[in-house]
Amino acid sequence: DAGVTQSPTHLIKTRGQQVTLRCSPKSGHDTVSWYQQALGQGPQFIFQYYEEEERQRGNFPDRFSGHQFPNYSSELNVNALLLGDSALYLCASSSPKDRGVYNEQFFGPGTRLTVL
Amino acid sequence: RKEVEQDPGPFNVPEGATVAFNCTYSNSASQSFFWYRQDCRKEPKLLMSVYSSGNEDGRFTAQLNRASQYISLLIRDSKLSDSATYLCVVIPRTGGFKTIFGAGTRLFVKA
Repeated sequence: DAGVTQSPTHLIKTRGQQVTLRCSPKSGHDTVSWYQQALGQGPQFIFQYYEEEERQRGNFPDRFSGHQFPNYSSELNVNALLLGDSALYLCASSSPKDRGVYNEQFFGPGTRLTVL
Repeated sequence: RKEVEQDPGPFNVPEGATVAFNCTYSNSASQSFFWYRQDCRKEPKLLMSVYSSGNEDGRFTAQLNRASQYISLLIRDSKLSDSATYLCVVIPRTGGFKTIFGAGTRLFVKA
């Protein structure tokens, strides 16, 4: 059973550029959440996608946008990159149909983004 | 005040020790609570859910105190392999689907 996969694993960009990160959820999961984790901090919720729509958003500017495809995979786009966007970007999938554990999320290995 | 607060540590304990972490949350309507574990440069993984009645999984015990708005994690008989960062997670009822992580508590277990 494939877990959550993310690509690429590492990425280096310069200020002002745009980046797209990709995520494939765990088999059977239909909900994808994106998080930003700066060094020494916990993951910060960016947004969650369900049924191809953004269901909830955290405190991130509009430069952060996303998409979910019919096969439940998802993309995170960040425009006009800033130095402060350097972080580990984590994708997590879940299924509201899971019994027993409410909102258990399975994380992918993350994409480490460095903005120079 | 942060929505979820944890003592960052680090906690340095010898093998076999018992160690406890607390995590406080600010939203009294919070609905669900979890502890996740994150190894260095790896993704977080669910350690255990936290139920109102408390729950135990082997050497790990989680407790919820709604009146004081904190959750706790107790690790008994610490192993070297328990060395990691422990993240407290809260899902606020009013927040819907947003998941709030604490900054984590670092634990080092030494031989």
